[in-house]
Amino acid sequence: LAKTTQPISMDSYEGQEVNITCSHNNIATNDYITWYQQFPSQGPRFIIQGYKTKVTNEVASLFIPADRKSSTLSLPRVSLSDTAVYYCLVGEAGNQFYFGTGTSLTVIP
Amino acid sequence: DGGITQSPKYLFRKEGQNVTLSCEQNLNHDAMYWYRQDPGQGLRLIYYSQIVNDFQKGDIAEGYSVSREKKESFPLTVTSAQKNPTAFYLCASSTGQVLVYGYTFGSGTRLTVV
Repeated sequence: LAKTTQPISMDSYEGQEVNITCSHNNIATNDYITWYQQFPSQGPRFIIQGYKTKVTNEVASLFIPADRKSSTLSLPRVSLSDTAVYYCLVGEAGNQFYFGTGTSLTVIP
Repeated sequence: DGGITQSPKYLFRKEGQNVTLSCEQNLNHDAMYWYRQDPGQGLRLIYYSQIVNDFQKGDIAEGYSVSREKKESFPLTVTSAQKNPTAFYLCASSTGQVLVYGYTFGSGTRLTVV
């Protein structure tokens, strides 16, 4: 089961771009990288998923270098409503995933 | 609307009592999961089920029990053997291909021992 390492917390001002990096040194060939967002007293929700290079959707971008030992979630122009915990998960389809403690992002006015 | 419903939202338990948390999904997902979250902590897997009438222990199964008699339902019982049950409990479901569609989570049940 691939474990991940993320910063415990980050602060950012409104309107800035935020980059959260996740380390996953023992990622396997068939593993994908998935990011979730969790607001207080709610269940996490899926943000974005990728295997290599770059993935972009309406919410975020995910950058994955060639060695795939890390990944970076990029949130463009954050607002106060982006204050949440962000989890990086690594794994293969059908297997279980390790959520870890995530990164607590606080957006400051 | 398709989704996962957890009930109750808040639950209070006396010492020594068993309590059951409900989780129902209408997404036609095969797999269902129970996670526990303590303040400032990540999610820890209690039990999961990939098919009806079958379930597997997660990382912290001691003091908990589950059943999966129907595809839509995956109730969790917190027994008196669980020494520190106060936590936020999250139920999730997924298709067989978790990585393609991801997990769908319920809104959680906050259990407090009084």
